[in-house]
Amino acid sequence: DAKTTQPTSMDCAEGRAANLPCNHSTISGNEYVYWYRQIHSQGPQYIIHGLKNNETNEMASLIITEDRKSSTLILPHATLRDTAVYYCIVEAAGNKLTFGGGTRVLVKP
Amino acid sequence: EAGVTQFPSHSVIEKGQTVTLRCDPISGHDNLYWYRRVMGKEIKFLLHFVKESKQDESGMPNNRFLAERTGGTYSTLKVQPAELEDSGVYFCASSQALVGGELFFGEGSRLTVL
Repeated sequence: DAKTTQPTSMDCAEGRAANLPCNHSTISGNEYVYWYRQIHSQGPQYIIHGLKNNETNEMASLIITEDRKSSTLILPHATLRDTAVYYCIVEAAGNKLTFGGGTRVLVKP
Repeated sequence: EAGVTQFPSHSVIEKGQTVTLRCDPISGHDNLYWYRRVMGKEIKFLLHFVKESKQDESGMPNNRFLAERTGGTYSTLKVQPAELEDSGVYFCASSQALVGGELFFGEGSRLTVL
């Protein structure tokens, strides 16, 4: 069973920041927060992951609350190519991923 | 650098037939995984190889599924005999790190059982 709760869908305007929330209130101390996305029918694509500290890479930023019970993925300047299903996953090792339903993000012009 | 490649991209077979899916991981990646999404369901973990050894096969649905990774390079997933409910997309992924790393997924092999 997925250990995370995400909104089913959300829209975002092209060029604006997209903020994707995720609740993981039962996260354990050794579990990371991972974000993946699946564009159309392609294979899942890794975005970012973190344990306690906020993380940033060329794709996105990950903000994890101090109690680690929730996090937000930020796509700083959404483009049409960012339209995808985004999955928030908590997992200790990062390999036996439990994909839930994810958030279907539609970036509109 | 080549990514994870899977073959075939799409296979259509009759119920009761056999299908073998192949995955070539990224060179140097010891960890290889199989996942699948059956129709209308979420993506599910099937199994994990470390080199040629099965590290975790807890997600394999039943004994009609056989995964191998001889020599620790490419892997095959055989379904024999295929059933209607096996239809879906089978994803292969590989990684370098065992803990805390990212998985690189292939484009998937779509299986249709008629």
